[in-house]
Amino acid sequence: DTGVSQNPRHKITKRGQNVTFRCDPISEHNRLYWYRQTLGQGPEFLTYFQNEAQLEKSRLLSDRFSAERPKGSFSTLEIQRTEQGDSAMYLCASSLTVGGNEKLFFGSGTQLSVL
Amino acid sequence: DAKTTQPNSMESNEEEPVHLPCNHSTISGTDYIHWYRQLPSQGPEYVIHGLTSNVNNRMASLAIAEDRKSSTLILHRATLRDAAVYYCILRGYGGSQGNLIFGKGTKLSVKP
Repeated sequence: DTGVSQNPRHKITKRGQNVTFRCDPISEHNRLYWYRQTLGQGPEFLTYFQNEAQLEKSRLLSDRFSAERPKGSFSTLEIQRTEQGDSAMYLCASSLTVGGNEKLFFGSGTQLSVL
Repeated sequence: DAKTTQPNSMESNEEEPVHLPCNHSTISGTDYIHWYRQLPSQGPEYVIHGLTSNVNNRMASLAIAEDRKSSTLILHRATLRDAAVYYCILRGYGGSQGNLIFGKGTKLSVKP
């Protein structure tokens, strides 16, 4: 168990550029979550997948954001035409649902800075 | 999901017990109480969860009030490594549980 892996750890981009983040969950975890966190705030839910199906999306996930989880393994989060307000830590988590309350395991996040 | 209320910050001395309170007066009968913590520059990590009975694990204890409208996370002997933001979260059981909704949490400082 190598934990949830996120790449890159840091990303600096110019406003208007597109960025893509990758998350590799713990193997065999069927659920994968994306959160966003700004300084001094708790993580805010963006979206989650069960296997390859995207089951829930937050209103925070504007049409510039898209997430995919092909084949139910790794996931990517793309932000198009980045804005300065997109600057945040993007966190990925995974879990295994076994019919009851599951624990989420978080990665260390990708810190995005939009200049 | 029902809301929780936590103090913004707390201080503790190293090697002393810490009691972190959480109020959740609108909790429903099927809501579990989860605690996560977030160390500086890391993602949140699971600490403990419970439904009605008090729970213990290697990290902490969870004391749940009889009416379930409040709970307390207990760190028996705080260490400097326990300095973190602690989040109390309610989560429904079964079916499509959806996501965890985090509040601002309690920032715990531990003094040597």
